[in-house]
Amino acid sequence: GESVGLHLPTLSVQEGDNSIINCAYSNSASDYFIWYKQESGKGPQFIIDIRSNMDKRQGQRVTVLLNKTVKHLSLQIAATQPGDSAVYFCAGPNQAGTALIFGKGTTLSVSS
Amino acid sequence: DAGVIQSPRHEVTEMGQEVTLRCKPISGHNSLFWYRQTMMRGLELLIYFNNNVPIDDSGMPEDRFSAKMPNASFSTLKIQPSEPRDSAVYFCASSLTSTEAFFGQGTRLTVV
Repeated sequence: GESVGLHLPTLSVQEGDNSIINCAYSNSASDYFIWYKQESGKGPQFIIDIRSNMDKRQGQRVTVLLNKTVKHLSLQIAATQPGDSAVYFCAGPNQAGTALIFGKGTTLSVSS
Repeated sequence: DAGVIQSPRHEVTEMGQEVTLRCKPISGHNSLFWYRQTMMRGLELLIYFNNNVPIDDSGMPEDRFSAKMPNASFSTLKIQPSEPRDSAVYFCASSLTSTEAFFGQGTRLTVV
């Protein structure tokens, strides 16, 4: 079946550094992907999405890159701040395209 | 809009008791999802409703779990009887499109 998964369960960076969180997926027919951020005690919150006809999409301090050849996407956070500390999930559509399935998540820790 | 509202935020119950989790989706959204989050399994899709109709309940772990959506503004997830392995955070999410889903704050369930 379809799946999305993250490469590293944890990532520790210094404040001001750039962070890169990676994700692999199996369903080459997926037409979009979404990155979510989950802070402690809260539900996942939408960060940015990317359609499969794009290679790159930029938001405020975040960039998502999609490599369809190797079925890989990444979330880059520029000038990481302590407030960026959270668990980050990549998500993609299930086979039917009706719901999102999530990877396990990468915990980002930002130290001052 | 207040976002997706879930109640209760925390629930502690004894094994064998019935548990009912509640969700109010964002007004106007036509899709509702119930997810379960654990450390071991991450975020798992339990059931998906579209226009109040259950479309996919293949993620519901057992017959002890049931979900209803009697109208566009309310859904329940019931576990009867509850077991310790049901302990998790349960999230409700709603969406208008097939892409971005908005999550509630979750219900942390502890079955002792």
